Amino acid sequence: SQQGEEDPQALSIQEGENATMNCSYKTSINNLQWYRQNSGRGLVHLILIRSNEREKHSGRLRVTLDTSKKSSSLLITASRAADTASYFCATDGDTGRRALTFGSGTRLQVQP
Amino acid sequence: DAGVIQSPRHEVTEMGQEVTLRCKPISGHNSLFWYRQTMMRGLELLIYFNNNVPIDDSGMPEDRFSAKMPNASFSTLKIQPSEPRDSAVYFCASSFLVGYNEQFFGPGTRLTVL
Repeated sequence: SQQGEEDPQALSIQEGENATMNCSYKTSINNLQWYRQNSGRGLVHLILIRSNEREKHSGRLRVTLDTSKKSSSLLITASRAADTASYFCATDGDTGRRALTFGSGTRLQVQP
Repeated sequence: DAGVIQSPRHEVTEMGQEVTLRCKPISGHNSLFWYRQTMMRGLELLIYFNNNVPIDDSGMPEDRFSAKMPNASFSTLKIQPSEPRDSAVYFCASSFLVGYNEQFFGPGTRLTVL
């Protein structure tokens, strides 16, 4: 299967609730990134966490990384309707290769 | 900066025709990536360039696909001949070669091959 698999595949919540998405990967990494894709648009970088970091915050986003379990989670707090989008994790291996491998994404629907 | 620019935004063509997709990366970025996104296969890396040199084209599906980067500000992805299964959204992304590999994506080209 792909490096970087998100779950759940789809998530529907009410505005104001928190949304948690998970990502698992298979190989060693330099860093892990999360991207957002609005319908019909390109991906937008949200946050990057390095392999030696365990947690990172950016506004309403909180990312955790557990390299022993090869997993990461993205938490969006106090969600808004505008957060409705697909969210992808992406990893680059520790081989120096610059290409990212993207997961299949989580489709988040925030109901107003 | 205008961001990554792709053209055309939409392309509808008939099977067997040649298709050329274009990308202008962000000025100063020296890594460029071509991706393809479909519902079935998700987001796949096709090829990437560092300093205009192709580094990894293992994702290019077959010989019908080719990509070039003649200079730091322009790249093309060509499909000849096109087939219906090539229908997808094709994204170009760019980043700095050194440092953290945050990639900036263009808006994509939606290709439909009839």
